Amino acid sequence: GENVEQHPSTLSVQEGDSAVIKCTYSDSASNYFPWYKQELGKGPQLIIDIRSNVGEKKDQRIAVTLNKTAKHFSLHITETQPEDSAVYFCAAAKGIGAGNMLTFGGGTRLMVKP
Amino acid sequence: DVKVTQSSRYLVKRTGEKVFLECVQDMDHENMFWYRQDPGLGLRLIYFSYDVKMKEKGDIPEGYSVSREKKERFSLILESASTNQTSMYLCASFRRGGGAQYFGPGTRLLVL
Repeated sequence: GENVEQHPSTLSVQEGDSAVIKCTYSDSASNYFPWYKQELGKGPQLIIDIRSNVGEKKDQRIAVTLNKTAKHFSLHITETQPEDSAVYFCAAAKGIGAGNMLTFGGGTRLMVKP
Repeated sequence: DVKVTQSSRYLVKRTGEKVFLECVQDMDHENMFWYRQDPGLGLRLIYFSYDVKMKEKGDIPEGYSVSREKKERFSLILESASTNQTSMYLCASFRRGGGAQYFGPGTRLLVL
């Protein structure tokens, strides 16, 4: 089955700096890659996703890049703010017809220091 | 907005007790999932359901069962709770045809 590895497990940055979280996946058939943000005491919330037919997607300060050949994808957060502090999860899935069976990475705890 | 609610935020049970975790979604989603979340392991799929009365095992179904009698409600059952089931349990739902999974706030279960 699919295996998703996520690095780093913890990341500390100064406010205003950029943060990058990387994930690799094993199943070349995977074609959907969402990123979730989980704040303390809450469930994960989708922040951005990308499908395998594009290489990059941006939404304001966050962007995701995908390298299908190398089977890795990354989350980029620019101009980090204290409210970006949370646990971030990447995931991979294949097929959208029957449903997205997501395999999650282990998570990255991002701390943004004011 | 999609709303996924879970019956309890915190739960303390004793070993051997039968435990019910309830999840309700209000967006008429066909698909519902139960995950457990443990530090460093991410989210692992326990069971999922594509429709009423339908259930499929996920990656770690041992010690759990589920029930889906109504489309909006998906219950996770621990028949005889054990200490290694102490964890955060997350419910999710999404619409048939794909798209984002929407998560509930989670239930933190402690089994003593």
